Amino acid sequence: DLQMTQSPSSLSASVGDSVTITCRASQTMSRYLNWYQQKPGKAPELLIYTVSTLQTGVSSRFSGSGSGTDFTLTISSLQPEDFATYYCQQTYSTQWTFGQGTKVEIK
Amino acid sequence: QVQLVQSGAEVKKPGASVKVSCKVSGYTLTELSMHWVRQAPGKRFEWMGGFDPEDGETVYPRSFQGRVTMTEDTSTDTAYMELSSLKSDDTAVYHCVTYRASTWAFHSWGQGTLVTVSS
Repeated sequence: DLQMTQSPSSLSASVGDSVTITCRASQTMSRYLNWYQQKPGKAPELLIYTVSTLQTGVSSRFSGSGSGTDFTLTISSLQPEDFATYYCQQTYSTQWTFGQGTKVEIK
Repeated sequence: QVQLVQSGAEVKKPGASVKVSCKVSGYTLTELSMHWVRQAPGKRFEWMGGFDPEDGETVYPRSFQGRVTMTEDTSTDTAYMELSSLKSDDTAVYHCVTYRASTWAFHSWGQGTLVTVSS
């Protein structure tokens, strides 16, 4: 199965900081890479699909990029509502898989 | 706007089965491709399968084949996921999610149903 590894597993940042989360695939894949945000006690919400397309209503502070095996989610100018856990997901292979998550905490 | 409301928490014994429901509003079930995802405590999300709109069939990953059954009642716009031969490591929060083939992503999520497997 196509394994997805996120780094870091957690990070601390301040409001206004820019942060980057990486998602690495165990083999080269196409552009079917999505990012979700989950806040405590809530279901995840789609942020970005197919690497870089922002879901309707999502702030332009969020951006995605990458290709091959390496993909990134960047949050520019962190806001209080951005402190959450972020997950990547691939829908490229026949066995869809998620990364283990990256928790973004307030410093 | 799609809304997905799931059934309540369940406690089951090892070897039993559980059936979780997911009521759709805002759309009809026939307009959607419903999938299921679970997250065990401290673990990553696991995709359990769902309706493939291209093939018109329900697909299941290898890890769940033979143990999970997904059905739909279009008269009530309710989707169901039944998992059999439960083990303790099936303890997880189970979510129904809608998939869009145009974006290859999960767009709407149910609130989650906690299934606890314990003797």
